[in-house]
Amino acid sequence: DAMVIQNPRYQVTQFGKPVTLSCSQTLNHNVMYWYQQKSSQAPKLLFHYYDKDFNNEADTPDNFQSRRPNTSFCFLDIRSPGLGDAAMYLCATSGTGRWETQYFGPGTRLLVL
Amino acid sequence: AQKVTQAQTEISVVEKEDVTLDCVYETRDTTYYLFWYKQPPSGELVFLIRRNSFDEQNEISGRYSWNFQKSTSSFNFTITASQVVDSAVYFCALSEGSNTGNQFYFGTGTSLTVIP
Repeated sequence: DAMVIQNPRYQVTQFGKPVTLSCSQTLNHNVMYWYQQKSSQAPKLLFHYYDKDFNNEADTPDNFQSRRPNTSFCFLDIRSPGLGDAAMYLCATSGTGRWETQYFGPGTRLLVL
Repeated sequence: AQKVTQAQTEISVVEKEDVTLDCVYETRDTTYYLFWYKQPPSGELVFLIRRNSFDEQNEISGRYSWNFQKSTSSFNFTITASQVVDSAVYFCALSEGSNTGNQFYFGTGTSLTVIP
């Protein structure tokens, strides 16, 4: 089945220790997104890629970076995680039209010690 | 201003009861798209339905139905004969035709608990 895969499902890191979350998709979608979701809140868009074009949300901290080496893969790098970065990180993909549905992966739950 | 409002933060119902989740949106665009997602405790956002602004027909899918009313800017979701497996957080989302990107505006979600 075509899908969005995220690894790992759970990630524990230490305060200030860089961490990378990964996302892959078999849907062949051009657009990929990273969201941060904290408890009892809606997902918050961090950035998205139109193919290789990177689009950063204005309020996304510099501590968050992303890479998309090819159509299928996208990475979220947190350079120096703080306690406030503990959250669920959701990857999503869609086609390029504004009517397109976004399909989400299962998420990576990040814990910062 | 909040573009998507889900006024109900938490709802509890007894199994087999019907329940309606409210969604009110705000946009100046004439072309827009509305979505509902389900987020069970496992965390994955599961797509339920998409509606475009030109299609006001209500839709039924099994025990799920959606009532789209442009006159009141609402896109409400009803679960008939609720089951324990329906317990989840439900998000309503809006995508505007004027978006420069594929940005979704999510509501704050409604947490539904179905009590056996």
